[in-house]
Amino acid sequence: ETGVTQSPTHLIKTRGQQVTLRCSSQSGHNTVSWYQQALGQGPQFIFQYYREEENGRGNFPPRFSGLQFPNYSSELNVNALELDDSALYLCASSLAGDTQYFGPGTRLTVL
Amino acid sequence: GQQLNQSPQSMFIQEGEDVSMNCTSSSIFNTWLWYKQEPGEGPVLLIALYKAGELTSNGRLTAQFGITRKDSFLNISASIPSDVGIYFCAGQTQGGSEKLVFGKGTKLTVNP
Repeated sequence: ETGVTQSPTHLIKTRGQQVTLRCSSQSGHNTVSWYQQALGQGPQFIFQYYREEENGRGNFPPRFSGLQFPNYSSELNVNALELDDSALYLCASSLAGDTQYFGPGTRLTVL
Repeated sequence: GQQLNQSPQSMFIQEGEDVSMNCTSSSIFNTWLWYKQEPGEGPVLLIALYKAGELTSNGRLTAQFGITRKDSFLNISASIPSDVGIYFCAGQTQGGSEKLVFGKGTKLTVNP
């Protein structure tokens, strides 16, 4: 059974640019949640996708958007990057109503 | 964003010592979870608690769901060097795939 994978591992962008992060969910999982983890903090919920529809959103601006594909993989897109967007971005997959399993994360640095 | 109050922020202990950390919230949660995160990795679930007053063990780890549903603690007995990492508590109002609300973490260092 393949676990949750994320790409890329690391990414460096400049202010104002756009970025796309990718997540492949664990086999059989239909729900993907995205979290932002700033340095020294716990993860903060961004949003969740279930069967290709957004299913809950945290306190993040609209420039954070996402997609889920028919194979349940997911993308997180961030437009107009700001310095404070520098963080570890984690995705977690689950079967609806069940435990969430996290991927290793993508480290985004905004200069 | 919402975060749980987790303490202590960091701990430096000798191998073989016991460790205790806790987490409090101003809101009620119906599920409490404890995760461990190591460098370059995502959080890994250690213990999940589903009922107020519940005491659950996983090897040398023991966690309890507070009776008020606003707190939880994690104990690690007879610590070993591989216990090093950051431990996070997390709460859910319903459980399962619902969003997790995390604490800021407790960084554990174990001296051999």
